[in-house]
Amino acid sequence: DAGITQSPRHKVTETGTPVTLRCHQTENHRYMYWYRQDPGHGLRLIHYSYGVKDTDKGEVSDGYSVSRSKTEDFLLTLESATSSQTSVYFCAISESTGNEQFFGPGTRLTVL
Amino acid sequence: GESVGLHLPTLSVQEGDNSIINCAYSNSASDYFIWYKQESGKGPQFIIDIRSNMDKRQGQRVTVLLNKTVKHLSLQIAATQPGDSAVYFCAENSAGGFKTIFGAGTRLFVKA
Repeated sequence: DAGITQSPRHKVTETGTPVTLRCHQTENHRYMYWYRQDPGHGLRLIHYSYGVKDTDKGEVSDGYSVSRSKTEDFLLTLESATSSQTSVYFCAISESTGNEQFFGPGTRLTVL
Repeated sequence: GESVGLHLPTLSVQEGDNSIINCAYSNSASDYFIWYKQESGKGPQFIIDIRSNMDKRQGQRVTVLLNKTVKHLSLQIAATQPGDSAVYFCAENSAGGFKTIFGAGTRLFVKA
């Protein structure tokens, strides 16, 4: 997890509230990703970024938005949290596509 | 801590024995493969990778084998130790694309 931090590490919130998760890296990697991990599904890509202000959708992007205003930070926002968004969220970084991704420690989000 | 799944395939080995974890990948166009290790409460950790122009690659106590004919990947861990207990999953990527497909994982238990 060196060089990648996520905050908060745990959060409990109520349905309908907005939630923002933060990923911070000190590796100066260009590419950043947000995944969710659920039993039986493995890691699924929510959104990714290929540079400052350059982002795109992954396979499970509905209900999520992202922003990247500087290289080191990638924010994931749930505009109106739902119970189906209860999950563990991981941020990852990579120097380039087609190379290994390095993951943060994760954020456990519970939506009641 | 963060959990990765309650019903994963499980492999149980005796300490000191060799472990073999298998993975079937889905996309015949995939040309880059990675093995990750995930311990309880932590993010996935890169172990070893292999590109499609190779069929074997060795690291420290780990070997990855790639059989493109049957789209099969395996991870061999020599002299398995208690610290190897974790969930292991493979990932595949094609042509340096943004989408990396992650397998659901195999849980490895090491008996002392």
